[in-house]
Amino acid sequence: QKEVEQNSGPLSVPEGAIASLNCTYSDRVSQSFFWYRQYSGKSPELIMSIYSNGDKEDGRFTAQLNKASQYVSLLIRDSQPSDSATYLCAVNLSWGKLQFGAGTQVVVTP
Amino acid sequence: EAQVTQNPRYLITVTGKKLTVTCSQNMNHEYMSWYRQDPGLGLRQIYYSMNVEVTDKGDVPEGYKVSRKEKRNFPLILESPSPNQTSLYFCASSFTRDGEQYFGPGTRLTVT
Repeated sequence: QKEVEQNSGPLSVPEGAIASLNCTYSDRVSQSFFWYRQYSGKSPELIMSIYSNGDKEDGRFTAQLNKASQYVSLLIRDSQPSDSATYLCAVNLSWGKLQFGAGTQVVVTP
Repeated sequence: EAQVTQNPRYLITVTGKKLTVTCSQNMNHEYMSWYRQDPGLGLRQIYYSMNVEVTDKGDVPEGYKVSRKEKRNFPLILESPSPNQTSLYFCASSFTRDGEQYFGPGTRLTVT
């Protein structure tokens, strides 16, 4: 079992719709969780961090964390073509390593 | 502007010719790390540094060296590059090991 798992996609989302990305992790003691956006050939860009159970909203992005289920998700509301990218889930494992998922490719279609 | 910089951004070299990729951050971060990214394999950590003179291996350290003589700089050294080190390399930094990491722009390395 991989430490951080994401569906690779591509996730096709109509413009203006909600994109829902999921991430599961294996380390029950993990305390910090991040979502990065990466455009092709570019560096990962931090878009959300979440540390406690529940929802955290920032503009059109909402991160949701459920530690009991070892699950973190990202919602993108009112999806725009500029949201087309690969989204990386990252989890700080209990021994201090930041482990990245393989990423979910999102394609927003006009 | 707070940032992580890397140089060079693109490099084509030949097998066995030593090279150094520089990384510098101006955010006074203690933690710095090097990753490589390959299609289908995602981001893999090469080496990391908790502070000056404190470095440790990540998941794929073979063929690489690092040093941390100053807080702001964390160069990646390939003593004898080989074609399997052709990859996209990223440097990242954060205040603490479990904090938000900020990435440099990347260095695309091709070894022929």
